[in-house]
Amino acid sequence: DAKTTQPTSMDCAEGRAANLPCNHSTISGNEYVYWYRQIHSQGPQYIIHGLKNNETNEMASLIITEDRKSSTLILPHATLRDTAVYYCIVRGTNAGGTSYGKLTFGQGTILTVHP
Amino acid sequence: EAGVVQSPRYKIIEKKQPVAFWCNPISGHNTLYWYLQNLGQGPELLIRYENEEAVDDSQLPKDRFSAERLKGVDSTLKIQPAELGDSAVYLCASSFGSSYNEQFFGPGTRLTVL
Repeated sequence: DAKTTQPTSMDCAEGRAANLPCNHSTISGNEYVYWYRQIHSQGPQYIIHGLKNNETNEMASLIITEDRKSSTLILPHATLRDTAVYYCIVRGTNAGGTSYGKLTFGQGTILTVHP
Repeated sequence: EAGVVQSPRYKIIEKKQPVAFWCNPISGHNTLYWYLQNLGQGPELLIRYENEEAVDDSQLPKDRFSAERLKGVDSTLKIQPAELGDSAVYLCASSFGSSYNEQFFGPGTRLTVL
């Protein structure tokens, strides 16, 4: 699976949009971009995923560039409860083999939302 | 709906002692995962089960780690004997159907080896 690069940490003011970037320049055509987050002392939580088109759900929006080499997770109105580590993961879709469906976490971005 | 349940939440043992972690996945989820998370790092997959079968255990240190998932529901991860470097959080996750579906994680077991 392609590797990802994320900033180590980011800050955001409460109520403002948080834009978390992710670089995945070696992504291949059949690989999806997934985002998970991990609040302190909890297990990771799924946020959103996408292939080519932009995606939106009740938690966030995912913007993927046309060349698919980078993406941005947007939390439109960040709250204090959004303080967490955010993981951008590229995940393959090739059936078979031990890497099938495997989530490979990096170190993620520590997002701190300030009052 | 209950989430993934793990126990114990915390465990402190001395090195060379055995330890076991238990996981109860979300009802109906046939795929179960064990992850290891060191401080400041992202989780790393140790083993993945499809029902009772371990389909990916390539990252499991088999000299001291073992896992089982009898009847394709609950799972136990064991370390024997534990070493100082095993201090970490052990996370269990489950998903329904294809392993490409969303994974739901439990809160983890924090292991401290003294």
